[in-house]
Amino acid sequence: GAVVSQHPSRVICKSGTSVKIECRSLDFQATTMFWYRQFPKQSLMLMATSNEGSKATYEQGVEKDKFLINHASLTLSTLTVTSAHPEDSSFYICSARDPTRGGQETQYFGPGTRLLVL
Amino acid sequence: AQSVTQPDIHITVSEGASLELRCNYSYGATPYLFWYVQSPGQGLQLLLKYFSGDTLVQGIKGFEAEFKRSQSSFNLRKPSVHWSDAAEYFCAVGAGTGNQFYFGTGTSLTVIP
Repeated sequence: GAVVSQHPSRVICKSGTSVKIECRSLDFQATTMFWYRQFPKQSLMLMATSNEGSKATYEQGVEKDKFLINHASLTLSTLTVTSAHPEDSSFYICSARDPTRGGQETQYFGPGTRLLVL
Repeated sequence: AQSVTQPDIHITVSEGASLELRCNYSYGATPYLFWYVQSPGQGLQLLLKYFSGDTLVQGIKGFEAEFKRSQSSFNLRKPSVHWSDAAEYFCAVGAGTGNQFYFGTGTSLTVIP
């Protein structure tokens, strides 16, 4: 099946620093990628939709300047958490849509990145 | 606005017993419906999906789900649960112009020997 990777899988950083998380589609080209945030024992909350070559579309309540998303190629999207604070600690999951497989509607999820801000 | 409700936060079943996980959605049109499973510390794996056509869909690992428009439901079933099925299960609806996914709150499944 379609494979999506994330790097790093786990990151610990100091408060005030920025952290970049990469999401890659390994065996397909993803024109659209999505970023989710998951708090412990809670559901996934959509943060933003990332389209290759254009600005990301953020969900209501998500700070654009806080969570910078770049989708520079058809296989890579990055999420940068700027000036991270402890409340940003969470599990961040990306997904990618492969229009050639499973239909336009199916998303393939990465394994997630656990961020801990001290 | 679209929403997904999974009424059962936690379910415990005995190995070999049947399973049904409930999912109700709210959406103005016919949605795209999905069930995903998440093991601890892992990403999500697609179990099955419904787009159109036959309302009973078969998925991986012996799971099936039935779309009932009149009840706005998409319940997940498995006739005989295995210990390896213990995980978190999420129902999701794909909606909007960008087909964003909206997830339910999840149901945690415990399987006892």
